[in-house]
Amino acid sequence: QQPVQSPQAVILREGEDAVINCSSSKALYSVHWYRQKHGEAPVFLMILLKGGEQKGHDKISASFNEKKQQSSLYLTASQLSYSGTYFCGTEPIPSGNTPLVFGKGTRLSVIA
Amino acid sequence: GAVVSQHPSWVICKSGTSVKIECRSLDFQATTMFWYRQFPKQSLMLMATSNEGSKATYEQGVEKDKFLINHASLTLSTLTVTSAHPEDSSFYICSARPSGGVTDTQYFGPGTRLTVL
Repeated sequence: QQPVQSPQAVILREGEDAVINCSSSKALYSVHWYRQKHGEAPVFLMILLKGGEQKGHDKISASFNEKKQQSSLYLTASQLSYSGTYFCGTEPIPSGNTPLVFGKGTRLSVIA
Repeated sequence: GAVVSQHPSWVICKSGTSVKIECRSLDFQATTMFWYRQFPKQSLMLMATSNEGSKATYEQGVEKDKFLINHASLTLSTLTVTSAHPEDSSFYICSARPSGGVTDTQYFGPGTRLTVL
């Protein structure tokens, strides 16, 4: 079942922060975050595994609350390069052979 | 991270012709690869799961005879769009996950933009 992402779109000024949420109606084993720029393929950002994990990388971090079946992506002090569509991909059980189920995406626009 | 390549990156063809798109995992093996299509400003739509050495699994509504998938080796999957029509024009993206990598992610190829005239 497709996870629900919110918001659908957000516009930020450079330096502002944003949070993108990904919620599932099913229990999750892992959540994978990607960013896709216009005309390009999605680029992997980070994976969060079951266990209340949090991760960060530069000014982009994410958390995974398995009890709430949701994950959040945090973008701090946004830069123009952060613009793009962010997708979360989920899987309910550990498996290397089944595809991730992707949300519809959150379109992020960072303006000067 | 792991690298997935796709070829060609773009193709323009006439209606009625067939187009083959290759997807390779360059530095890992993948028993399973995934094919997606994406229309402008929309999400990734899974078309099929490609299985090395066996038949592909197609999603509901995807025509098996139109979108032929062959997973010839642990590093190569091909998608052939047969008798292409303008409505097949789209961005096709393949994805692969390292075999046995339950803690690894799906890596995407750069995509192939197909335009059917």
